[in-house]
Amino acid sequence: SQQGEEDPQALSIQEGENATMNCSYKTSINNLQWYRQNSGRGLVHLILIRSNEREKHSGRLRVTLDTSKKSSSLLITASRAADTASYFCATADSSYKLIFGSGTRLLVRP
Amino acid sequence: GAGVSQSPRYKVAKRGQDVALRCDPISGHVSLFWYQQALGQGPEFLTYFQNEAQLDKSGLPSDRFFAERPEGSVSTLKIQRTQQEDSAVYLCASSLRRVGNQPQHFGDGTRLSIL
Repeated sequence: SQQGEEDPQALSIQEGENATMNCSYKTSINNLQWYRQNSGRGLVHLILIRSNEREKHSGRLRVTLDTSKKSSSLLITASRAADTASYFCATADSSYKLIFGSGTRLLVRP
Repeated sequence: GAGVSQSPRYKVAKRGQDVALRCDPISGHVSLFWYQQALGQGPEFLTYFQNEAQLDKSGLPSDRFFAERPEGSVSTLKIQRTQQEDSAVYLCASSLRRVGNQPQHFGDGTRLSIL
C-alpha cells in the first residue's frame, strides 16, 4: 500500500510557467523526499527535507513541508520541456524504508 | 559504471517459469533495496539489505519471491513459478549508509512481462 497521495495526478503547462505539485501523507515522518522519473527510466533523487525543516531550495526547485497538515509541495519555477516526467514524493520514518506516493505526471509543452 | 545497473532491461517469460533479475549497486553502498512498480503507480518496497544481511523482506508478495546479496554487493531477485500478476517493473536502489535520511540511487529497472 502507498503512503501518500500526490495532487494533481496529471499537470500540463506551458514552458516558462511554474509547476506546483502537492503530496499528502498519513503517518509521522523523519524526512520526505522528492524524486523524478522519466519514461522508462529509474527514479532520480531531487531533494530531501527533514521533518524539522519547513522549506528547502535547490536550483529551480522549492519544497515546503507542513508536518501539522502532513503535506508537502514541490514547486518547479520557469519550467522547461526537459522537466516533463513523473514526480513522486516518498516519506521515511526513523528507519530506512521509503514509502512512495502515486505520482504526478507533468507535461511541459514547448 | 558510476550508477546502479540492472539486467536484463526487459524480460518476457511464460507463466510458470522462473526468472532471475540482477542488480549491481554503486560500489561501496551499504544499503540495497528492491521495489516493484506497477504501471502508473509509485514504487512499492519489496526488500532491504544492509551489506549481505537481508533485514527486511516484509514487502515480498509471496514465498515465490526470493532475494539474495551473498557478498554484500550484487543482488539477485528471483521469482519462481511466475504468474501474470508478477508483470511489473522491478527497480533496484542503493544508498551509501544505513540510516533513513539518505537519498536512494535507482537503476533503470527490469520490465518483466509474464505471458
